[in-house]
Amino acid sequence: DAGVTQSPTHLIKTRGQQVTLRCSPKSGHDTVSWYQQALGQGPQFIFQYYEEEERQRGNFPDRFSGHQFPNYSSELNVNALLLGDSALYLCASSLRHGYTFGSGTRLTVV
Amino acid sequence: AQSVAQPEDQVNVAEGNPLTVKCTYSVSGNPYLFWYVQYPNRGLQFLLKYITGDNLVKGSYGFEAEFNKSQTSFHLKKPSALVSDSALYFCAVRDTNAGKSTFGDGTTLTVKP
Repeated sequence: DAGVTQSPTHLIKTRGQQVTLRCSPKSGHDTVSWYQQALGQGPQFIFQYYEEEERQRGNFPDRFSGHQFPNYSSELNVNALLLGDSALYLCASSLRHGYTFGSGTRLTVV
Repeated sequence: AQSVAQPEDQVNVAEGNPLTVKCTYSVSGNPYLFWYVQYPNRGLQFLLKYITGDNLVKGSYGFEAEFNKSQTSFHLKKPSALVSDSALYFCAVRDTNAGKSTFGDGTTLTVKP
């Protein structure tokens, strides 16, 4: 039974560019949450998707947007990248009684 | 609003000694409490959780945590530390089992031989 799969594992982008990160949830999970973990900090909640709609959102600007597909997979899009967007981006999938994190995507903005 | 505090940035213990990593929380309603461990350049690994029931929760790798409602604490413990326990530990709280998680800033545990 595959867990949460995130792609890519690492990428490097230039300031001002746009990036898309992808997440495939654990089998049977219908909800996907995204977190940003800056170096030396705990993960910060970005948003959560359920039934293809954004259900909750943290304190992140509109440059951060997402999408959930009918198969429950999800994308995180970040526009107009800033150096401060460099972080580990974690995806977590959940159902009523389970919450599983992926290994993350390391984004470096130069 | 929910919040988590991990008052210690760093905890150092000798191998074989007991360890405690502290966590206090604030949440409206009944808390769902979690501990995760993170190794360098890796994602979060689940250790244990408290949702309801016995205040002493047992988890992976010999870790346990004690839920104290009156002190709003959920401290992580292990009777005998191993060098391989050295890692970054995060406490998290949710107000539902599948909702938004709020994490503490993490505590670096170093176990010396």
